[in-house]
Amino acid sequence: DAGVIQSPRHEVTEMGQEVTLRCKPISGHNSLFWYRQTMMRGLELLIYFNNNVPIDDSGMPEDRFSAKMPNASFSTLKIQPSEPRDSAVYFCASSRQTEAFFGQGTRLTVV
Amino acid sequence: EDQVTQSPEALRLQEGESSSLNCSYTVSGLRGLFWYRQDPGKGPEFLFTLYSAGEEKEKERLKATLTKKESFLHITAPKPEDSATYLCAGNTNQAGTALIFGKGTTLSVSS
Repeated sequence: DAGVIQSPRHEVTEMGQEVTLRCKPISGHNSLFWYRQTMMRGLELLIYFNNNVPIDDSGMPEDRFSAKMPNASFSTLKIQPSEPRDSAVYFCASSRQTEAFFGQGTRLTVV
Repeated sequence: EDQVTQSPEALRLQEGESSSLNCSYTVSGLRGLFWYRQDPGKGPEFLFTLYSAGEEKEKERLKATLTKKESFLHITAPKPEDSATYLCAGNTNQAGTALIFGKGTTLSVSS
């Protein structure tokens, strides 16, 4: 299995632009998670889905952030409009039972 | 508020010098204590899950233990390749795995 696949690996965008991060979970996993990692705050859970349904989005920082999971093999995290304080590494993870497996992350820089 | 705290923030060891990393948690209804390893530029890699006080798990030079208030990751005779950031996380979710992470301990092992 190729593991959790995220794209792009790096994204540099200007403040105010829309950013879309993509994730393909491991086949057969029924839970998907989006995390954000910064030096100051560490790894923070933004939102998670179970069987493609959003279960808890209380970690989404603002209405500028939205996430979708249209099917079992694809999810997006969108930021519109982006701001410099959104700069971070965004991770997607998936799980079937307990252990969550992480992708390589997308490093987002908003200038 | 659910919280996971790791200490020390950074640890430098000589090759072969054993030590322990600490993870203390105040998580109501804990349903699993997880340890992950993260290398620079990569996503966290799953190591262990512990569910009940007194439980221990081992993998090569690593052993994780759990009490009612904290977990330890013991590293025996470490090698330079053990250098990484070690993350501890608690799961409070009945329906799946929604992890609350500590900020990690960065371990450096020199030869």
